[in-house]
Amino acid sequence: DAGVTQSPTHLIKTRGQHVTLRCSPISGHKSVSWYQQVLGQGPQFIFQYYEKEERGRGNFPDRFSARQFPNYSSELNVNALLLGDSALYLCASSDRTGYGYTFGSGTRLTVV
Amino acid sequence: EDKVVQSPLSLVVHEGDTVTLNCSYEVTNFRSLLWYKQEKKAPTFLFMLTSSGIEKKSGRLSSILDKKELFSILNITATQTGDSAVYLCAVGRRGMETSGSRLTFGEGTQLTVNP
Repeated sequence: DAGVTQSPTHLIKTRGQHVTLRCSPISGHKSVSWYQQVLGQGPQFIFQYYEKEERGRGNFPDRFSARQFPNYSSELNVNALLLGDSALYLCASSDRTGYGYTFGSGTRLTVV
Repeated sequence: EDKVVQSPLSLVVHEGDTVTLNCSYEVTNFRSLLWYKQEKKAPTFLFMLTSSGIEKKSGRLSSILDKKELFSILNITATQTGDSAVYLCAVGRRGMETSGSRLTFGEGTQLTVNP
């Protein structure tokens, strides 16, 4: 079985641009969560989606948005990129019990 | 607000040493504490602890939770250079799957094992 897959693996964007990151959960997992990990820190929660509905939002500005599709894959969108948005963006999926919380390999976003 | 504090933040040891990593937490409606190993990108799952006093073991790694004192330790015996990584501790709340609760992570412990 494939694990959590994220694309792209690396991305370089210019300040002010928009970016879309993608995540496919483990088959059968209906919950997808997004995290931002700045170098030298632990991951910070951005969003959780369950059954295509937003179930939680972390302390991030409205420039960050996400959605979940009928096949449970998810997109994270960031508008008006700032240098401080440079980070590793991790996606995690879990089953309905919340256990089996598994991370993808992440997307390394660099904003120049 | 949920809080997870890990110590030490970094640790350098020699192969064969035993290390103990610490994690203390404050969380509303505690459900579970998880340990992850992060080498390059994806944090990989090590342990999930939900009950106090029950040690979980996997090879040279073991972990235990104290829900009264609100902390957990991760032990690694006979360390190897391949154990070099960042070790992350995270806590989850009850109702994680639907209520929007999320994992709260500590800063991590950077472990370096020298030959």
